Amino acid sequence: EAGVTQFPSHSVIEKGQTVTLRCDPISGHDNLYWYRRVMGKEIKFLLHFVKESKQDESGMPNNRFLAERTGGTYSTLKVQPAELEDSGVYFCASSQEGQGQYEQYFGPGTRLTVT
Amino acid sequence: AQRVTQPEKLLSVFKGAPVELKCNYSYSGSPELFWYVQYSRQRLQLLLRHISRESIKGFTADLNKGETSFHLKKPFAQEEDSAMYYCALSGYNQGGKLIFGQGTELSVKP
Repeated sequence: EAGVTQFPSHSVIEKGQTVTLRCDPISGHDNLYWYRRVMGKEIKFLLHFVKESKQDESGMPNNRFLAERTGGTYSTLKVQPAELEDSGVYFCASSQEGQGQYEQYFGPGTRLTVT
Repeated sequence: AQRVTQPEKLLSVFKGAPVELKCNYSYSGSPELFWYVQYSRQRLQLLLRHISRESIKGFTADLNKGETSFHLKKPFAQEEDSAMYYCALSGYNQGGKLIFGQGTELSVKP
């Protein structure tokens, strides 16, 4: 079975441009999470989908970030316009149906560099 | 405030030596604690969780609620244990979102 996949693996864009990151969770996993690790800092939660609904978006840094999960399958995270401080590694994770404590399976991450 | 603290950025030991990666947390309530590991060029993966109370790859971790700690231990380190280790917590009724520590890089020298 394929694990969580993310695309692209690496993106280099200029400040002010737009970038869209994609995450395909494990098939059948209703929970989908986005996290990011900014250089030198800890991995931080961004938001959580249950199917197509945003369950918790308390970690989204500002309104330049927009996440969607149409149809409850794959998810996209758009950054528009990108700023230098958005550089980092963006991780996606998925887990099974139900609340809480199921194991989260992580994707390989997308390394975003804003110049 | 909910927080996970890993005081050591880098821990270097020799093969066969005991290893302890420290993790302290701050949470009002009863969180679930995890250790995640990321080996070189691999994705982040769950190593163990406190409710399982099991040993994985020789590693164990005991939740100490009095000291709010969840230290990861292994009696005899192996070179293949070299990796980044992240302690994380998940709060009750918070949808499973993880709060991570900054990570500790473990280097096991031959």
